[in-house]
Amino acid sequence: GAVVSQHPSRVICKSGTSVKIECRSLDFQATTMFWYRQFPKQSLMLMATSNEGSKATYEQGVEKDKFLINHASLTLSTLTVTSAHPEDSSFYICSARDPREIHNSPLHFGNGTRLTVT
Amino acid sequence: DAKTTQPPSMDCAEGRAANLPCNHSTISGNEYVYWYRQIHSQGPQYIIHGLKNNETNEMASLIITEDRKSSTLILPHATLRDTAVYYCIVRVEDFGNEKLTFGTGTRLTIIP
Repeated sequence: GAVVSQHPSRVICKSGTSVKIECRSLDFQATTMFWYRQFPKQSLMLMATSNEGSKATYEQGVEKDKFLINHASLTLSTLTVTSAHPEDSSFYICSARDPREIHNSPLHFGNGTRLTVT
Repeated sequence: DAKTTQPPSMDCAEGRAANLPCNHSTISGNEYVYWYRQIHSQGPQYIIHGLKNNETNEMASLIITEDRKSSTLILPHATLRDTAVYYCIVRVEDFGNEKLTFGTGTRLTIIP
């Protein structure tokens, strides 16, 4: 079945540095991928929709200059957290849908990236 | 997308059926009901979805009331590995706009 892979699974960085998280669709092409963020004991919150070959669409309250999204190919979207601060520490999860599946098929999620900013 | 209401937590004995309710009283006729679960520190896992008919797969059964205002996810023989947060989501099948809006879900704990 369709698989979405994220890398890295965990990352620790120092405050002020930037971190890149990759999301890959392993056996299908995804023109659209979704990035979520989840703080401890909270639900997933959609951050942005990544569109292959065009600009990402950000949800209200998400800073596009801080969370850079690049969807340069049909199998890869990247999320870069720029100038990370401790409050950016969170669980970041991406998802995508296999376009070969029927129209109401579910989204497939990656296993998430745990970011810790020290 | 229609809002859903789920109990914040539930316990179930191992080997018994776990029945997780979800209210979606404002659901529209073209909105599907999806269930996902999230085991600690992992990404959400799809379980099942339906429109108006009851559905069953290898993981679970989905019972949707006739008026579609509520549904129940049934795990027939719960195991310890079923301990997770379960999310009920309703959304329009809008091709090209597949984003999901997660609520707070139900934290299901399977008791040995």
